[in-house]
Amino acid sequence: DAGVIQSPRHEVTEMGQEVTLRCKPISGHDYLFWYRQTMMRGLELLIYFNNNVPIDDSGMPEDRFSAKMPNASFSTLKIQPSEPRDSAVYFCASSRQGYEQYFGPGTRLTVT
Amino acid sequence: RKEVEQDPGPFNVPEGATVAFNCTYSNSASQSFFWYRQDCRKEPKLLMSVYSSGNEDGRFTAQLNRASQYISLLIRDSKLSDSATYLCVVNLPGKFYFGSGTKLNVKP
Repeated sequence: DAGVIQSPRHEVTEMGQEVTLRCKPISGHDYLFWYRQTMMRGLELLIYFNNNVPIDDSGMPEDRFSAKMPNASFSTLKIQPSEPRDSAVYFCASSRQGYEQYFGPGTRLTVT
Repeated sequence: RKEVEQDPGPFNVPEGATVAFNCTYSNSASQSFFWYRQDCRKEPKLLMSVYSSGNEDGRFTAQLNRASQYISLLIRDSKLSDSATYLCVVNLPGKFYFGSGTKLNVKP
């Protein structure tokens, strides 16, 4: 069974550009989470979905960040415009009924 | 006060040692508990769930103390490959909290 798939694995972009991160959860999982991890702030929950519906987006840093889940097998996290302080590793995770979460390999984002 | 707190370490131990980490949580309504392992530059991976009665998986033992509101992870006969950061997770209805992690270094 394939795990959580994220793309791209690495993204380098210039300040002001739009960045779109993609995630395919494990089939049959009804929860999807987006996290950001930095050395300074650790692992932060940005938003999570249940059955494709955003439930809690209180961790989204500001209006430059948006997330969508158009169907059960795909989600995106978009940053527009990107800033250097957005540089981090972004993880997507999925779970069944909100219990054990399984993480994707992450997208390492560098904004110059 | 943070929802979940962990000693950041690092814990530096020799091979073969027994080491234990604790993770305290603030909300008595917390329902489910987990330990994750994260290697450098990798994603967190589920190590084990923590059940009320305690559970064991090989060299690893997890326990839950609801009265004192903490979970623990015990690693026996530690190996070099156990070197990693260990994260605890505490779930409430609709809420998911990760600790900041405890770093373990196992030395030869």
